Amino acid sequence: EVQLVESGGGLVQPGSPLKLSCAASGFTFSSNWLNWIRQAPGKGLEWVASINPDGSSTYYPDTVKGRFVVSKDNAKNTGYLQMNNLRSEDTAMYYCARYNKGFDYWGQGVMVTVSS
Amino acid sequence: DVVLTQTPPTLSATIGQSVSISCRSSQSLLHSNGNTYLNWLLQRPGQPPQLLIYLVSRLESGVPNRFSGSGSGTDFTLKISGVEAEDLGVYYCVQSTHAPLTFGSGTKLEIK
Repeated sequence: EVQLVESGGGLVQPGSPLKLSCAASGFTFSSNWLNWIRQAPGKGLEWVASINPDGSSTYYPDTVKGRFVVSKDNAKNTGYLQMNNLRSEDTAMYYCARYNKGFDYWGQGVMVTVSS
Repeated sequence: DVVLTQTPPTLSATIGQSVSISCRSSQSLLHSNGNTYLNWLLQRPGQPPQLLIYLVSRLESGVPNRFSGSGSGTDFTLKISGVEAEDLGVYYCVQSTHAPLTFGSGTKLEIK
């Protein structure tokens, strides 16, 4: 059974860093793209980061470029999202999702709240 | 960035009714490789999204065949033929033909 489990969320102050993890199981993690997508409370979905199967290429929207870093450890079947210089507008539920032919598997999400 | 405009923003349906959701793109989603990377997702209340349709019209494994997708270029439609109670939630289209990947703003389906 394919599973993605996020961890590492919480309440942080503006300007603080936070690192999210996404533990994968039930599929060949090293053969799949990993993505992070967020959803602010009561809002729609926003793509945050993508990393290719071997981890050699990463992609970000302008809203997080230079602040967020996505990575994956294929030996540990785990993906990461390092978030730096967090802002109040980064407050959201963060999901990791596998991209195969579409976003076919999602984690349950982890909440990140940025507030003083 | 590609803008995906979904209509209607909300939809109210009775059980058994057929409904359609439109997703219009600000530019063609036909990739140079011949594929059109337009997917449909459903997010039920309190749940992460789930994939319904990929590559415009292909039904994800395990998804009931009352869901269907169609369209090309810039105009796409998700149809539910015979709404069931479990179909309530927010439907999103998402494109990955062009970077950055973008989502539609969502269509909330309510059951009367």
